[in-house]
Amino acid sequence: NAGVTQTPKFRILKIGQSMTLQCTQDMNHNYMYWYRQDPGMGLKLIYYSVGAGITDKGEVPNGYNVSRSTTEDFPLRLELAAPSQTSVYFCASSPGGLADYNEQFFGPGTRLTVL
Amino acid sequence: GQNIDQPTEMTATEGAIVQINCTYQTSGFNGLFWYQQHAGEAPTFLSYNVLDGLEEKGRFSSFLSRSKGYSYLLLKELQMKDSASYLCAALDSNYQLIWGAGTKLIIKP
Repeated sequence: NAGVTQTPKFRILKIGQSMTLQCTQDMNHNYMYWYRQDPGMGLKLIYYSVGAGITDKGEVPNGYNVSRSTTEDFPLRLELAAPSQTSVYFCASSPGGLADYNEQFFGPGTRLTVL
Repeated sequence: GQNIDQPTEMTATEGAIVQINCTYQTSGFNGLFWYQQHAGEAPTFLSYNVLDGLEEKGRFSSFLSRSKGYSYLLLKELQMKDSASYLCAALDSNYQLIWGAGTKLIIKP
């Protein structure tokens, strides 16, 4: 099992450009999450999904969009990139939402810089 | 509001013991997680507590007091590879994880 994979690992965007961060998991997990982590800060939830076709906003959704057409994939779309979106983005998955099964498995992260 | 507090940075000596504290205030509570994050890497799961008391896993132990909104992570026989950030996260009533900013642990020889 590869676990949670993310592409790209690094990206530099110009202000106003758009891009999609890819996330795939092969553990058949129902729940998937997108976080951003700014330097010296904790993880902030952007969007999450409890299953294919179902997504919901987290704490900091503005400027982002997601879709979940399959169990495996959960891409994050940035429209009109802004310097405030410079961050490290982590995708994670977990078997389910109930506490006992909510250990989250993280991808390696995407380091995004917007100039 | 929801809040997780933990020290920003701690320093300890190789072979010693260190305790990292975490206090939380959340809307409802369904458990407390500790994750380890090495610099430039993703967080990895260390422990989960939902009942009061101490859970021991090798050199690492985690404690929870629900009445006090308090947890700690205890690391024994510290090794250089334990140098990392330790993230405390509480599961709220909606089963969303609320994350602390992390405690950077520096191990000195």
